[in-house]
Amino acid sequence: DTGVSQDPRHKITKRGQNVTFRCDPISEHNRLYWYRQTLGQGPEFLTYFQNEAQLEKSRLLSDRFSAERPKGSFSTLEIQRTEQGDSAMYLCASSLRGLAGEGSYNEQFFGPGTRLTVL
Amino acid sequence: GQQLNQSPQSMFIQEGEDVSMNCTSSSIFNTWLWYKQDPGEGPVLLIALYKAGELTSNGRLTAQFGITRKDSFLNISASIPSDVGIYFCAGRTLFGNEKLTFGTGTRLTIIP
Repeated sequence: DTGVSQDPRHKITKRGQNVTFRCDPISEHNRLYWYRQTLGQGPEFLTYFQNEAQLEKSRLLSDRFSAERPKGSFSTLEIQRTEQGDSAMYLCASSLRGLAGEGSYNEQFFGPGTRLTVL
Repeated sequence: GQQLNQSPQSMFIQEGEDVSMNCTSSSIFNTWLWYKQDPGEGPVLLIALYKAGELTSNGRLTAQFGITRKDSFLNISASIPSDVGIYFCAGRTLFGNEKLTFGTGTRLTIIP
């Protein structure tokens, strides 16, 4: 399977603990995105990388959240001092933005997500 | 954060029926996308639209990019059981970056 993979698929933690999620994008994709999805809502943008550079961060990404993509391949999203309001599905997506321009092959392809429950 | 308005919020139909749903925004978008999400999974891209007025099909699915650039429509013909799921529209702004703004979703249920 050459799609986007995320690990773990489910995480249950106690309030105040730190958690880290991993995303492995489609291998040739140079852009990687993180979204958060709460129950009954659509995904909301958190941040994205082009190669190893973090190019944009949403205001949703508080200072307890940090994302990295150190070698321009996989990415990690860490949440420190988790709160119950952090409970959500965290989705990763990747895309290839090259010289070919528009086309569905350049769009974002999503992984299965990591469901976080903070007790 | 901002979410696009999708309607209807949910649909209950019989197998074989046609389905129509739409998505509206107060902002102009230069790209409209339609995704489908199954429970516990990530969204899967169905159709991408890049020009105002564009009509694009993918099998039984047809989507249109509204001429005002502020709306998009998705139709599913002759629905089958595997069409069950949540359909999301997503837009990318004219002067924007790569982030997608998603709609609130339309949940499709097929009644036996």
